[in-house]
Amino acid sequence: KAGVTQTPRYLIKTRGQQVTLSCSPISGHRSVSWYQQTPGQGLQFLFEYFSETQRNKGNFPGRFSGRQFSNSRSEMNVSTLELGDSALYLCASSLAHDSGSQNTGELFFGEGSRLTVL
Amino acid sequence: DAKTTQPTSMDCAEGRAANLPCNHSTISGNEYVYWYRQIHSQGPQYIIHGLKNNETNEMASLIITEDRKSSTLILPHATLRDTAVYYCIVRNEGSRLTFGEGTQLTVNP
Repeated sequence: KAGVTQTPRYLIKTRGQQVTLSCSPISGHRSVSWYQQTPGQGLQFLFEYFSETQRNKGNFPGRFSGRQFSNSRSEMNVSTLELGDSALYLCASSLAHDSGSQNTGELFFGEGSRLTVL
Repeated sequence: DAKTTQPTSMDCAEGRAANLPCNHSTISGNEYVYWYRQIHSQGPQYIIHGLKNNETNEMASLIITEDRKSSTLILPHATLRDTAVYYCIVRNEGSRLTFGEGTQLTVNP
């Protein structure tokens, strides 16, 4: 079956702009997590969604937001871009054990969206 | 979630077993040990996880010490394509996966 699909793969923005990244999880997966990866900070957790609800949030400013749709597809948005937002943004999907929304820890990652802010 | 300590880098000869250690001395009873790897320019890939018993799958084996304070990921016959950063993560069920610095494994021909 198809893996996690992220779009766009590459994009360039300038400071002050905003960006929206999209993630389509593996069919049947209801949990979607987002991570930011930079050379200096490594992989940093942004947030996790399950059934259109944000369940976990990392330590990022309010400029970073996300949402999940009824078909489990997710988007994340970064407003008022800063140079330091240049990074690889990774989306991961996973099954949930049950409607109690405990994910299994086995995450399936997409190829990522590489954002460059000039 | 408990913190993990891994060597920064390791080398392995192609065809030999790669043994990647991980210390997690503060692990609690309900925390699992997960291993992921990330090949350059790709998203991380799940390898294996375990609670207290040793585990094996088509990719690797996971050996967890009896006191659960450390574990070893074993790639039985390393290939050049196994060159990657390997992350050892300790996680409580339901919590987020927190990635550390990992070990850069280089498999040499």
